[in-house]
Amino acid sequence: KAGVTQTPRYLIKTRGQQVTLSCSPISGHRSVSWYQQTPGQGLQFLFEYFSETQRNKGNFPGRFSGRQFSNSRSEMNVSTLELGDSALYLCASSLESGGIRTDTQYFGPGTRLTVL
Amino acid sequence: AQKVTQAQTEISVVEKEDVTLDCVYETRDTTYYLFWYKQPPSGELVFLIRRNSFDEQNEISGRYSWNFQKSTSSFNFTITASQVVDSAVYFCALTLYSSASKIIFGSGTRLSIRP
Repeated sequence: KAGVTQTPRYLIKTRGQQVTLSCSPISGHRSVSWYQQTPGQGLQFLFEYFSETQRNKGNFPGRFSGRQFSNSRSEMNVSTLELGDSALYLCASSLESGGIRTDTQYFGPGTRLTVL
Repeated sequence: AQKVTQAQTEISVVEKEDVTLDCVYETRDTTYYLFWYKQPPSGELVFLIRRNSFDEQNEISGRYSWNFQKSTSSFNFTITASQVVDSAVYFCALTLYSSASKIIFGSGTRLSIRP
């Protein structure tokens, strides 16, 4: 079974621009979560989507948003990019079926965003 | 609030040595999960193990073993007979049953295995 895939793997943007990152979960997984990893702040939870609805949210400004499609694929968007948004953005998926959550998240390779 | 502390920022050992990575967690919830993930230089977080708060049994998987002690709020990870391929950053993490999608990560321990 294919793992979590993220595109693109690398991205370079300039301040003020916006960016969209994509994540395809493991087949059958319906929950998708996003994390930001920086040297200073470590790994921080951004948000989680399930059945096209945001179910949980971390402490990030409104410039960070996301959505999930009916096939469980997810995108996250960052508007008005700042230098501090340079980070590795990781997507994770988990299986949730019949009301049972396995609660183990499997991660993709990440998208490395550089803001100049 | 929940917190995960990995006091060891970096560890360097010679191949074949045993090494233990420490993890201490804080939560007032009685139901939670604990995890270890490995992050090699490629960047992907690789799931290693999950324990729930009701299961304090230690676990062994090949050269890897985990010691969960609720009395000290610790979930330590030991690699026996370390190998160069074990070099990576290791993260200990916590989720609550009530918000299982939100993982709280420790700051990570960078493990270097020298040949």
